[in-house]
Amino acid sequence: QVQLVQSGAEVKKPGSSVKVSCKASGGTFSSYAISWVRQAPGQGLEWMGGIIPIFGTANYAQKFQGRVTITADESTSTAYMELSSLRSEDTAVYYCARRGGKRGGGGYYYYYYMDVWGKGTTVTVSS
Amino acid sequence: QSALTQPASVSGSPGQSITISCTGTSSDVGGYNYVSWYQQHPGKAPKLMIYDVSKRPSGVSNRFSGSKSGNTASLTISGLQAEDEADYYCSSYTSSSTWVFGGGTKLTVL
Repeated sequence: QVQLVQSGAEVKKPGSSVKVSCKASGGTFSSYAISWVRQAPGQGLEWMGGIIPIFGTANYAQKFQGRVTITADESTSTAYMELSSLRSEDTAVYYCARRGGKRGGGGYYYYYYMDVWGKGTTVTVSS
Repeated sequence: QSALTQPASVSGSPGQSITISCTGTSSDVGGYNYVSWYQQHPGKAPKLMIYDVSKRPSGVSNRFSGSKSGNTASLTISGLQAEDEADYYCSSYTSSSTWVFGGGTKLTVL
């Protein structure tokens, strides 16, 4: 079964950037999409953006437009999320999650839900 | 995109049923049958419980069910058990080709 293994915790200074990785194993990386979701301490889940690795195209929540970049490397089955201009409010656990898919109707259909999640990466922004 | 609206907390006794609501707009919940629900225990990653409004993934108890009417989706848990105590989040696909989550509901099993 698919597993998503995320990189370790990070401590960053305000104004810097962080890049979190998410390596998939046990499945075919090119057959699904990856989303990034974050959760600030004591707060709810927040969708940041996602990518379909086989296409390499990402889309982002308006809130993070211009500050987040999501990429994927099919050769290593790894997705990345880079967040720049960090501020204290970006302190959170960052999760990657898979959206599976299937062939149908002459094409490929991606599901609209996140069924496999990484364990999360804690990013702390502090001076 | 504003977060979907969920009650902050709900509670019930073992064996009872509870329902958690999730209210959005015609641009998300009301416009698509792509509502999903996630369970999150403290310090753990979210777990998919319901997808496409009312479908259950393999391995999820049939005590969990989902429905939708207009711009409001609902998660019902019947036969409450102690292990159901957790935070629950709804999520919906949106007309902007993005996803939005609810603010989360803390379920307490009394």
